[in-house]
Amino acid sequence: EVQLVDSGGGLVQPGGSLRLSCVASEFDFGSYPMNWVRQAPGKGLEWVSYIASRTSTIYYADPVKGRFTLSRDNSKNSLFLQMNSLRAEDTAIYYCARGSGYLDIWGQGTPVTV
Amino acid sequence: DIQMTQSPSSLSASVGDRVSITCRASQVISNSLAWYQQKPGKAPKLLLYATSRLESGVPSRFSGGGSGTDYTLTISSLQPEDFATYYCQQYYGTPMTFGQGTKLEI
Repeated sequence: EVQLVDSGGGLVQPGGSLRLSCVASEFDFGSYPMNWVRQAPGKGLEWVSYIASRTSTIYYADPVKGRFTLSRDNSKNSLFLQMNSLRAEDTAIYYCARGSGYLDIWGQGTPVTV
Repeated sequence: DIQMTQSPSSLSASVGDRVSITCRASQVISNSLAWYQQKPGKAPKLLLYATSRLESGVPSRFSGGGSGTDYTLTISSLQPEDFATYYCQQYYGTPMTFGQGTKLEI
């Protein structure tokens, strides 16, 4: 089954760090751009970051620019989000999602509480 | 950033009803519009992309339309499993942006 599995969330103090992971299975991970999208409690969806499939192209939403770093390891079918200098407003469920426009496959989400 | 405004924010309906949800973009997005369904505690699920293209496995009672800045999701005959929150998303501009959601309740 084509799927993404998110992990790495947890409870952290303001100013702390977390590293989220997303592992892909049953598709050619290295051929797809990937994203992180977050959802604060009771709120809507907010795009966080994008990484192209095989180039170094990476984009960040303004609220996380300079604090979050997105990377991928295509040999391990894995996507990573290093989150530093965390703030209360970063509290959310974080989803990894596949695609460069519409997002067709989503992870189950990993909760981050700051 | 392109702002996406959904209406209504909530909607009450009954099984068998036909319902529509509207999404308005702050600028022309040239049909680069997707719709997602989200149930409580679950990840969003892609329903339609490119305004009207149905994702594989999505029932045909879901349809989409629109152009320019105005887009619509229609459910032709509501089923019990359709009660959820629906989001539109534009991917014409960077960053991609989502509407605030429409909660469809019984």
